[in-house]
Amino acid sequence: GAGVSQSPSNKVTEKGKDVELRCDPISGHTALYWYRQSLGQGLEFLIYFQGNSAPDKSGLPSDRFSAERTGGSVSTLTIQRTQQEDSAVYLCASSPGTQETQYFGPGTRLLVL
Amino acid sequence: QKEVEQNSGPLSVPEGAIASLNCTYSDRGSQSFFWYRQYSGKSPELIMFIYSNGDKEDGRFTAQLNKASQYVSLLIRDSQPSDSATYLCAVNTFPRTNAGGTSYGKLTFGQGTILTVHP
Repeated sequence: GAGVSQSPSNKVTEKGKDVELRCDPISGHTALYWYRQSLGQGLEFLIYFQGNSAPDKSGLPSDRFSAERTGGSVSTLTIQRTQQEDSAVYLCASSPGTQETQYFGPGTRLLVL
Repeated sequence: QKEVEQNSGPLSVPEGAIASLNCTYSDRGSQSFFWYRQYSGKSPELIMFIYSNGDKEDGRFTAQLNKASQYVSLLIRDSQPSDSATYLCAVNTFPRTNAGGTSYGKLTFGQGTILTVHP
């Protein structure tokens, strides 16, 4: 079946602009995660959605970052007033539920000039 | 102390040798453990997961878990140049509830170990 998809694959923006990154999880997966990976670094957890529960936002680095998940499926990560330090690869993953394997999308490479 | 620690490497082994990748974690409540492989410019892909103490084998890969020592490792037998990648250790913890709400066990990743297998 289809895997996790993300769009756009690449995004170049100017400092101060807002950006939206989209994630389509694997059909039927109830859990969805967003991570950030800077060049040569590990994965930094951002936010986690599980079913209809309140999302775990503990990893969001500032209030410029927000995410929503509509209808328990597609998710959008929004970064407002982007800064150069926001440049990274943003990875989305989904899983069938808690305590299970996460499957990653191809990522969105964000470059803030 | 980082929650999940890996030697960043690079670890270099000759083709055909055994590559040993190590990971330690700080949270004794951790319940499940994952190894992901990430090729340069690509997203992580799962290699193995392990829940119980001991060894778990899958083809050329063996995961080893020792919860008492808070240690998990990945052995790659008969290493091939195509195994050259960054290997990420990830740890999952049972649901925790605090003032911010309930977290259902997000994965915490190590920094990754770069493995190079040379012909």
